[in-house]
Amino acid sequence: GQQVMQIPQYQHVQEGEDFTTYCNSSTTLSNIQWYKQRPGGHPVFLIQLVKSGEVKKQKRLTFQFGEAKKNSSLHITATQTTDVGTYFCAGRDFGNEKLTFGTGTRLTIIP
Amino acid sequence: GAVVSQHPSRVICKSGTSVKIECRSLDFQATTMFWYRQFPKQSLMLMATSNEGSKATYEQGVEKDKFLINHASLTLSTLTVTSAHPEDSSFYICSASEGGDQPQHFGDGTRLSIL
Repeated sequence: GQQVMQIPQYQHVQEGEDFTTYCNSSTTLSNIQWYKQRPGGHPVFLIQLVKSGEVKKQKRLTFQFGEAKKNSSLHITATQTTDVGTYFCAGRDFGNEKLTFGTGTRLTIIP
Repeated sequence: GAVVSQHPSRVICKSGTSVKIECRSLDFQATTMFWYRQFPKQSLMLMATSNEGSKATYEQGVEKDKFLINHASLTLSTLTVTSAHPEDSSFYICSASEGGDQPQHFGDGTRLSIL
């Protein structure tokens, strides 16, 4: 079945440093979504990417979808303590409503 | 908008008890609801997909007789863990979607502890 892997598994950064998490799918995706889960909380939808090579920005967050629609990345510029949490990508197959969640990257910030 | 309410948030009960968890979409109609299980510091594992008025589609390895899902209306889905045992202890979380490519909106989850 489809597998979605993320690296790194954990990332500790100094506040103000940049952060990137990478997402790789074993199959070509219809689209990919990104979610953030704060410690003790539930996943919250961040964004959806649909087109090959698409790039979207949300303030300090930049999301990319690879040309082959099998990989994606999330980059955070100048991290803040509010960025703490686990970031999950979630891939959707063609013709299927369900999402396959990635393994997640847990981000911790050193003040 | 897009609020999903999940109840209860925490359950502690004896082995052999059946536990019912409710998932409600409060301000939108959820064509599809999803049930996940999440182990500590791990990803979300999809258990089943439920569509209003039809039988749930279970993922491989998930026992349908153990985890009963009912999606009676466009705003309510329930998961019943029947005859729960300690190995069923976990964080169960639901999500709801308006269907198609729409994002999933998650409930706050239910932490189930079976003694």
